[in-house]
Amino acid sequence: EAGVTQFPSHSVIEKGQTVTLRCDPISGHDNLYWYRRVMGKEIKFLLHFVKESKQDESGMPNNRFLAERTGGTYSTLKVQPAELEDSGVYFCASSALDSTYNEQFFGPGTRLTVL
Amino acid sequence: AQSVTQLGSHVSVSEGALVLLRCNYSSSVPPYLFWYVQYPNQGLQLLLKYTSAATLVKGINGFEAEFKKSETSFHLTKPSAHMSDAAEYFCAVTTNTGNQFYFGTGTSLTVIP
Repeated sequence: EAGVTQFPSHSVIEKGQTVTLRCDPISGHDNLYWYRRVMGKEIKFLLHFVKESKQDESGMPNNRFLAERTGGTYSTLKVQPAELEDSGVYFCASSALDSTYNEQFFGPGTRLTVL
Repeated sequence: AQSVTQLGSHVSVSEGALVLLRCNYSSSVPPYLFWYVQYPNQGLQLLLKYTSAATLVKGINGFEAEFKKSETSFHLTKPSAHMSDAAEYFCAVTTNTGNQFYFGTGTSLTVIP
């Protein structure tokens, strides 16, 4: 069974540019999460989808971040325009809707560097 | 709300020595606790989880952790470190009423030959 995949693995952009990160969850997982780790700090929650609906977006830092999950399958996270402080590793995770302990399966992450 | 504190951002042990990585949590409701490991250039891999059953939890690669409610701790241990254990380790907490994970800042483990 394929795990959670993320694309790209690395992205280097200049301040002011736009970047779109993609996450493909494990097939059949209706829960999809985005997290971010800024260097040296903890991995922090950004938002949670249940199928195509945003269940919780309390962790989104500001309106430069836009997440979508059209059709309830893969998700994209767009940063527009990117700022220096957006640099970090963006993780995606998924879990089954009926997961008793909400065990989340994580992807390898996308390392974003904003210059 | 929940939170996790991992004491020691960097831990070094000799090969064959005991590994002890500390995790303390804060939660107003019964927690579910997880340890994840991240090897270089890889994603987060689940090591073990506590879900209110046995307080001593065994995971993969010889790791185990003990849930101690009185100490609000969930420390990760391994009796004998192996070179392949060098990685970054993350402790996380969630609950049955929430969905997001709250992570600690991570502990980077170095194993010295």
